[in-house]
Amino acid sequence: AQSVSQHNHHVILSEAASLELGCNYSYGGTVNLFWYVQYPGQHLQLLLKYFSGDPLVKGIKGFEAEFIKSKFSFNLRKPSVQWSDTAEYFCAVKEGRDDKIIFGKGTRLHILP
Amino acid sequence: DGGITQSPKYLFRKEGQNVTLSCEQNLNHDAMYWYRQDPGQGLRLIYYSQIVNDFQKGDIAEGYSVSREKKESFPLTVTSAQKNPTAFYLCASSELPGQNYGYTFGSGTRLTVV
Repeated sequence: AQSVSQHNHHVILSEAASLELGCNYSYGGTVNLFWYVQYPGQHLQLLLKYFSGDPLVKGIKGFEAEFIKSKFSFNLRKPSVQWSDTAEYFCAVKEGRDDKIIFGKGTRLHILP
Repeated sequence: DGGITQSPKYLFRKEGQNVTLSCEQNLNHDAMYWYRQDPGQGLRLIYYSQIVNDFQKGDIAEGYSVSREKKESFPLTVTSAQKNPTAFYLCASSELPGQNYGYTFGSGTRLTVV
């Protein structure tokens, strides 16, 4: 069965630090990849997604992610975090022709002001 | 504004009771989904539906039931057979898989068994 692994359960950074959240998936075929974010008290919302083409995907609020097929990875990055980036981040994968998304367990990001 | 409405926001249930969580969308999306979110567990798929009058079990369907009588509505019933129902329940919808695929989420229902 397909699975999604997020390496860090809880990350604490100071403002202006660089961020990289790891995500690996297990499926070897064609995949669509997503990062969702859940700010405190708010809906889950889409941060960015990869379907095809350029493996470096840019999303909202200065986030980007790179799809590395050989490593089955889709790590999320941001060069300089802000206090408002405090949230829980979920990596997610849809495999091939499947019709549902599988989520990782999430990474709680806490930014110190 | 288009979106997904989940109600109620908070729900308390006595052990042995069935409860139904509402999910309505006005996005004209074909597919709808129910997930359960527990701390440290991420989102786990309960049921999903791609078309009216049809739905499929997800990874943790036991103790839950759904219906899809209308395109815009996908209610979830948590039955007394669900051993640990206290959780945060999220409904999502999407167009069918294609370049626009990706979920829109509701604001969730927090269910507590008392």
